[in-house]
Amino acid sequence: AQTIHQWPVAEIKAVGSPLSLGCTIKGKSSPNLYWYWQATGGTLQQLFYSITVGQVESVVQLNLSASRPKDDQFILSTEKLLLSHSGFYLCAWSLLGGRDTQYFGPGTRLLVL
Amino acid sequence: QQQVRQSPQSLTVWEGETAILNCSYENSAFDYFPWYQQFPGEGPALLIAIRSVSDKKEDGRFTIFFNKREKKLSLHITDSQPGDSATYFCAASARTGANTGKLTFGHGTILRVHP
Repeated sequence: AQTIHQWPVAEIKAVGSPLSLGCTIKGKSSPNLYWYWQATGGTLQQLFYSITVGQVESVVQLNLSASRPKDDQFILSTEKLLLSHSGFYLCAWSLLGGRDTQYFGPGTRLLVL
Repeated sequence: QQQVRQSPQSLTVWEGETAILNCSYENSAFDYFPWYQQFPGEGPALLIAIRSVSDKKEDGRFTIFFNKREKKLSLHITDSQPGDSATYFCAASARTGANTGKLTFGHGTILRVHP
């Protein structure tokens, strides 16, 4: 069975500090991978997607970047956090892009102070 | 511009009643509509989905009714249970378009089921 793991579970960071969030998918080869951001009580906003290793497409600009160093790994990062980066970050995977269901991970809660 | 709209923003029903959650969309190219259920502090989980070639999809107590002409769909939860209390998101994607794999989400409906 496929599993999706996100780390860390939660972070409290200072404005201006760097950030790295991770996501791994086990049990599926060559999945499409996605990063979403969700404000508290808000909707889900897709940030990035990747269909293969080394390839990442940006959907919205939020002073964040993403990388896919391995087939089963997706990294979200920034060198300087802003207050507006606070929220819930979700990783998701699918097999056939938007034509297939996207399955979400447990999320990482980020608070920027 | 909000491409996927949900109503009501919040809904309270009694246990055993039918909850009806509404969704409408702007983009005629949308042809896949998943509904996700999210509990506080967790990631969303797929509940049920429908493609535009169908006008109804049923899975246990959950049913989607789809009206392509009016660009509207609704999620009916029959025999609502307290455990159904969660936020429900309607989402949509298109077969074609620049953003492969882009799911557009509504703002969600918070459902509370009182015992």
